[in-house]
Order: sequence, then structure tokens, then C-alpha cells
Amino acid sequence: ETGVTQSPTHLIKTRGQQVTLRCSSQSGHNTVSWYQQALGQGPQFIFQYYREEENGRGNFPPRFSGLQFPNYSSELNVNALELDDSALYLCASSLGQGGSEQFFGPGTRLTVL
Amino acid sequence: AQSVTQLDSQVPVFEEAPVELRCNYSSSVSVYLFWYVQYPNQGLQLLLKYLSGSTLVESINGFEAEFNKSQTSFHLRKPSVHISDTAEYFCAVSEPPRDDKIIFGKGTRLHILP
Repeated sequence: ETGVTQSPTHLIKTRGQQVTLRCSSQSGHNTVSWYQQALGQGPQFIFQYYREEENGRGNFPPRFSGLQFPNYSSELNVNALELDDSALYLCASSLGQGGSEQFFGPGTRLTVL
Repeated sequence: AQSVTQLDSQVPVFEEAPVELRCNYSSSVSVYLFWYVQYPNQGLQLLLKYLSGSTLVESINGFEAEFNKSQTSFHLRKPSVHISDTAEYFCAVSEPPRDDKIIFGKGTRLHILP
């Protein structure tokens, strides 16, 4: 059974650029959630995708967007990067809409200069 | 709105000593409660959770947490810590019936002293 994987591991961008982060969910999981973990903070919920549809969103602006593909892998896109977007971005997969444990990937460390 | 407060950002403790990591939550509705652990350079792992039933929940590696509704607390305890317990611990809450939209606290770094 393959766990949750994320790519890339690290990324450096400059203000105003766009970035795409990728997540492969654990085998058999159809739900992917994305979290932002700023330095010294707990993860904050960005949004969740269930069966290719957005299924809930946290308090993040529209320049944070996502996709889920038929194989249930997912992308997080951030436009017009700001310095405060520097963080560890975590992806978690689970089965269904609640009722099962979320399994987290190791994260992508994004630095915005 | 739900929120989680972890009162200690860092907790130093000697190896084989007991430890308590404090967590308080605020919510106007019933809650699910979680403790997650993040080992250095690794992703988050679920340590234990309270959904319903017995207010005392245990993990496989000796941690336990007790749901106290009157004090809105879910403190994490271990009677004897090991160097391998060095990690960041996050308390979290969600609103039933969904247990997958999780609100995390800021975390407590557990530092084990030799």
C-alpha cells in the first residue's frame, strides 16, 4: 500500500509568481484535503476535494485553487504569491466524507522571496 | 467558531518522567477531538482521537487523553517518556458528523532531556 506522496519537496518562488503543488493520495482514498502550516503554527485547512469536486473551503482567498483528477490525485495552485504564503503545505487523503482517518503526506516547503 | 488552545509552546521533560500536554477547545456544538504527532521531517500522524463513548482514549505507544466536557479540555499524558517521543504534538477539533475538516492548535514541542 503506497502512502501519501507530495512533490516537490522544496520550492523557492518570488512574489507575484504562480506555483503548483502536487499530491498523490493513498491507494483507495477518494478524498484529498490541503493544509497550510506556517512556521511555528498548526496546520490550517485550505480546502478539500471529494470525487473531483470541492467539498469545503477554509478562510483562504480565491488565488488558492485546486483540482482533483479521476485517479484522485490533486493539485494546489497559488497565484500572485505573497511573502506570507511561505509555509509547509500538507496534503491528506482519506476515504469518503468523514468517518475515516486522514493520512498526511510529508509536505512541500514553499519559500517566497 | 471552533478553536483550539495549546497553552505550552514547548515542554522540556527528563527521559522516563511523566508528561502532560495541555489542550483546551472552544465550540458551541459537540466536538470530535484529536491529537496528532509530527516527528522531525515527517508528516502528521494521528496519535489518538475521541469521537464518542469512553472519555479516556489511549494510543498504542502509551499516550492517553481524557475528554473533559465541563472544562473543555483534552489533555495528553504519558506516564514515562522516551527519547523517541521527541516531536511536535498538535491538538485538533472537528465538528460532527464530519471528522475530516480539522481545526488545529499551534502545537507543543516536546523536548526530552537525557
